[in-house]
Amino acid sequence: QVHLVQSGAEVKKPGASVKVSCKPSGYTFSVYFMHWVRQAPGQGPEWMGRINPYSGDTEYAQKFQGRVTMTRDTSISTGYMELNRLTSDDTAVYYCARALGGNVLDYWGQGTLVTVSS
Amino acid sequence: DIQMTQSPSSLSASIGDRVTITCRASQSSGINLNWYQQKPGKAPKLLIYGASSLQSGVPSRFSGSGSATDFTLTVSSLQPEDFATYYCQQSYSAPYSFGQGTKLEIK
Repeated sequence: QVHLVQSGAEVKKPGASVKVSCKPSGYTFSVYFMHWVRQAPGQGPEWMGRINPYSGDTEYAQKFQGRVTMTRDTSISTGYMELNRLTSDDTAVYYCARALGGNVLDYWGQGTLVTVSS
Repeated sequence: DIQMTQSPSSLSASIGDRVTITCRASQSSGINLNWYQQKPGKAPKLLIYGASSLQSGVPSRFSGSGSATDFTLTVSSLQPEDFATYYCQQSYSAPYSFGQGTKLEIK
């Protein structure tokens, strides 16, 4: 069965960076796009971007352009999302998700809570 | 960017009720509309994709319909495990935006 396991919770100070990992199992890593979605407390999900694990090509939401980087390491079948210049508004749960096709997110990681606080 | 608006934002219903949640897109998203269920502290779970296709393993009491800009999610007979928050998402044009959610509560 398909699972996506994310790295643990992080506490960061304003201005710092955070890097979250996502390691899928149960399917061939390079075949399915990986998306990243965040959810601030009490809010709806917010799409951040996606990466093609085969080519490494990325597409980011304009809101995060210049501040987010999505990468992958095919040797260990792991995806990463790094967000820079953190502010308190970036406090949220960050999810990775597999795209079934057509950007439909059929399997999700368990989420990684990132707290930004001075 | 396509904005997704759900209604109502919250809904109280009883076990066995039939409920409908509506999602409207600010511009046509074709049939690239998906529905997710989220329970507290958990990741969203895919219920419906392509407006009306039931994801594998999802009970048949869930159904979706609509096209272009107007979509609905219907639960034909509410079960205790259905009380959760529901989100629509358009997967037509980046950024692949979500609605603000509909919280379904027990009456």
